[in-house]
Amino acid sequence: AQTVTQSQPEMSVQEAETVTLSCTYDTSENNYYLFWYKQPPSRQMILVIRQEAYKQQNATENRFSVNFQKAAKSFSLKISDSQLGDTAMYFCAFMKNSNSGYALNFGKGTSLLVTP
Amino acid sequence: DAGVIQSPRHEVTEMGQEVTLRCKPISGHNSLFWYRQTMMRGLELLIYFNNNVPIDDSGMPEDRFSAKMPNASFSTLKIQPSEPRDSAVYFCASSFFRAREQFFGPGTRLTVL
Repeated sequence: AQTVTQSQPEMSVQEAETVTLSCTYDTSENNYYLFWYKQPPSRQMILVIRQEAYKQQNATENRFSVNFQKAAKSFSLKISDSQLGDTAMYFCAFMKNSNSGYALNFGKGTSLLVTP
Repeated sequence: DAGVIQSPRHEVTEMGQEVTLRCKPISGHNSLFWYRQTMMRGLELLIYFNNNVPIDDSGMPEDRFSAKMPNASFSTLKIQPSEPRDSAVYFCASSFFRAREQFFGPGTRLTVL
C-alpha cells in the first residue's frame, strides 16, 4: 500500500511571502500521479496542482509550483506571493496508474495560515 | 455546470438509526468515489464505482456500511445501524474513467449522538 506523509501539521506565512509545504510518499510503482488539494474552511476540496510521475518537468499553476523529486519520493508545494485566501488545509495525494481504478491516497494534511 | 451534488449537507441522528447519504455525480462522469474524513484517520477511501459497478470496497469499515449506484447519475451510502464513531464528513467525488482529476462534492457532515 502507498503511504503519503506530510510532516508539517501547521504552518504560517505572511501575506506576499513564499511558503513550501512538504510531502513524501512510499510506493513501489513506477507510473503514478501526485496531487495537492486545498480545503478551505468551507470544507470544499479543490485541486491545486497535479504531477505525472513520468514527467521530469515540475508542474506550475500560477502562484503554485511543485518540486518533484522522484528518486527521493518527495513532492513539495511552493506557494509564492501568499494571499489571505490561501489559508486552508493542504492535502498531498497519491494515485497509482491502474486499469482498475484511480482512487486517491491522502496525507494527513498541513494547515496553512496566511497572516496580514 | 453543476458540480457534484451531495445531500444532505448536515445530518444529525441518534445511535442505531439508519442514515442514507446521497450523491449525484457530474453528468458524463463514469467513476464515482466515496471518501470519509475524520480528525483521527484523515481522508480515506470507502468505495468506488466504474460505470456503476463497485470496483473496490475494501475501505468500507464493516457490514453496517453499504453503497449502491443504481444508475450513472445517482449513488447512495447507507449506514445501518449508525454508531457515534461514524461521525465524520463524507465526500463523494466523480471523474471520467481513466481521467486523473476527481471533482469533489461539498461533503455531508454526519453526527451520530
